[in-house]
Amino acid sequence: DQQVKQNSPSLSVQEGRISILNCDYTNSMFDYFLWYKKYPAEGPTFLISISSIKDKNEDGRFTVFLNKSAKHLSLHIVPSQPGDSAVYFCAASEDFGNEKLTFGTGTRLTIIP
Amino acid sequence: EAGVTQSPTHLIKTRGQQATLRCSPISGHTSVYWYQQALGLGLQFLLWYDEGEERNRGNFPPRFSGRQFPNYSSELNVNALELEDSALYLCASSLANDRDQETQYFGPGTRLLVL
Repeated sequence: DQQVKQNSPSLSVQEGRISILNCDYTNSMFDYFLWYKKYPAEGPTFLISISSIKDKNEDGRFTVFLNKSAKHLSLHIVPSQPGDSAVYFCAASEDFGNEKLTFGTGTRLTIIP
Repeated sequence: EAGVTQSPTHLIKTRGQQATLRCSPISGHTSVYWYQQALGLGLQFLLWYDEGEERNRGNFPPRFSGRQFPNYSSELNVNALELEDSALYLCASSLANDRDQETQYFGPGTRLLVL
């Protein structure tokens, strides 16, 4: 039972355009969400997070939106750059301490120069 | 500052054997987490150790076990290996007592292949 779902296994976006990665979850107890980025042969690196008391969090080119009623979050990258090409994992936890993260299956983002 | 390190990078075993994977956390981090990334399943939480104790485990059979040493490094042991145990095993560390610490820092992983 996949509690965190990333339904698009891959996404290609032109350099300079906006990349939108989506994530859905089923567990209503989740209240803290994170995005990780993973390059080949490396572990995931933290990108940005959001707690359920917010609906938006922004950090530079990265913005995460949370729609609790729809159990949906999205990561926006604008403008997209070639270095953004990686696999992006959405993760969720039932509390802010994030001891136990539940991850999605990942979306491979390719930025086309 | 050195990041999380894992060894070996690759491991090949046969069914029924045992595998031991090792992880060294970032200096000062007391919590270590283990995850399994199997094809098509995303990252699945395996185990969480803090201050030498197992604090939580994911939905894995008991043949997945581990321990944390006094220097906070950790071992993951997988007994009676099965073909479906072939996966990338990731270790992460964090400052467990710092509730403002939002992230877990991941190592590069150990790729286990069971033949």
